[in-house]
Amino acid sequence: DTGVSQNPRHKITKRGQNVTFRCDPISEHNRLYWYRQTLGQGPEFLTYFQNEAQLEKSRLLSDRFSAERPKGSFSTLEIQRTEQGDSAMYLCASSFSGKGNEQFFGPGTRLTVL
Amino acid sequence: EDQVTQSPEALRLQEGESSSLNCSYTVSGLRGLFWYRQDPGKGPEFLFTLYSAGEEKEKERLKATLTKKESFLHITAPKPEDSATYLCAVQAFGGTSYGKLTFGQGTILTVHP
Repeated sequence: DTGVSQNPRHKITKRGQNVTFRCDPISEHNRLYWYRQTLGQGPEFLTYFQNEAQLEKSRLLSDRFSAERPKGSFSTLEIQRTEQGDSAMYLCASSFSGKGNEQFFGPGTRLTVL
Repeated sequence: EDQVTQSPEALRLQEGESSSLNCSYTVSGLRGLFWYRQDPGKGPEFLFTLYSAGEEKEKERLKATLTKKESFLHITAPKPEDSATYLCAVQAFGGTSYGKLTFGQGTILTVHP
């Protein structure tokens, strides 16, 4: 079991640039989630997929954010025209809907917007 | 809207000094309550899921309990390696929110040798 992997682990970008993060879930998991975590806070839900279908997006997710999960495997999260307020840890998690639905998290991608 | 509040925000213990962390929640219909451990710079690590009031689960020095309004994480004879942030989260039944976890802000536990 290789666990959830995320790339890159760290990203530094300038305000206004676009960034893309990748998440590879645990292989047999059909659900995939994205969360954002800022210092001193718990993770905040952004969106989730069951297989390739995006079933929910947080109302807090602006139009600059988009996520995809082609073919129900890996997922990408893109942020367009980054702002300093986007600086955070972006966490990906996966679960299997038929088995308790415990979500297992990856190591996260730390984004710093200068 | 689902809400989770954890207390205290920070807890400092001596090695061997047992204590409890609290997680109070409000949710439309509780599907599950989850406890995670998070080390600095890492993703949360799954510990327990509790589904109904009265349920208890144990793992090494940790024991989680659940009532209709709150959950406790009891730490017995903690060691320095138990130092971490402990996160509580709830998952609600129904609609498209079936998968989403709502987290509290966490309790930072420090255990001194």
